[in-house]
Amino acid sequence: GDSVTQMEGPVTLSEEAFLTINCTYTATGYPSLFWYVQYPGEGLQLLLKATKADDKGSNKGFEATYRKETTSFHLEKGSVQVSDSAVYFCARENSGNTPLVFGKGTRLSVIA
Amino acid sequence: KAGVTQTPRYLIKTRGQQVTLSCSPISGHRSVSWYQQTPGQGLQFLFEYFSETQRNKGNFPGRFSGRQFSNSRSEMNVSTLELGDSALYLCASSPNEPSQETQYFGPGTRLLVL
Repeated sequence: GDSVTQMEGPVTLSEEAFLTINCTYTATGYPSLFWYVQYPGEGLQLLLKATKADDKGSNKGFEATYRKETTSFHLEKGSVQVSDSAVYFCARENSGNTPLVFGKGTRLSVIA
Repeated sequence: KAGVTQTPRYLIKTRGQQVTLSCSPISGHRSVSWYQQTPGQGLQFLFEYFSETQRNKGNFPGRFSGRQFSNSRSEMNVSTLELGDSALYLCASSPNEPSQETQYFGPGTRLLVL
């Protein structure tokens, strides 16, 4: 069935390092794609989204490009900060019976 | 505009008891979805309500139920609690159909079943 696969964590980086969290999806058609972030003790917050192929979503220095050729939506940030430590979820719109389909999440820890 | 609120934030119950969780969506939002988050299974969809009607349902047993009121507030109920029901329960709201729009999440209710 339709799914979202993201790289397993945890990912540990030093401050100012480059971040990539891979996300691929399976789908029929071109669903909207999302990245959500969950800071410790909180719910999920929308980080960025892209609604059609080749769109680039960006927010707070994070970017992700909707690649239909590779069915991917990898999250990148050029220079991470300690405050970016959180769990990141990739998600896709679903035309079936659930509002969103989520990946299992990737925990990022940034150390000073 | 106030965000999605969930009450209570934390809850401890024992096996066999029942629990009711509450969610107030963002003002004007008509769709409310519920998710269960556990370390092992990640985020799993429970159900979604729109205009007081359950439109979608995930793959959970009948012990899990919900409802939505005319003011769009929603409750979910879990009866005959099991240890495995310990989780963070997240509510999300969106203006209309969630599959086409961004969902806004509340902080969650953390349920511990002993």
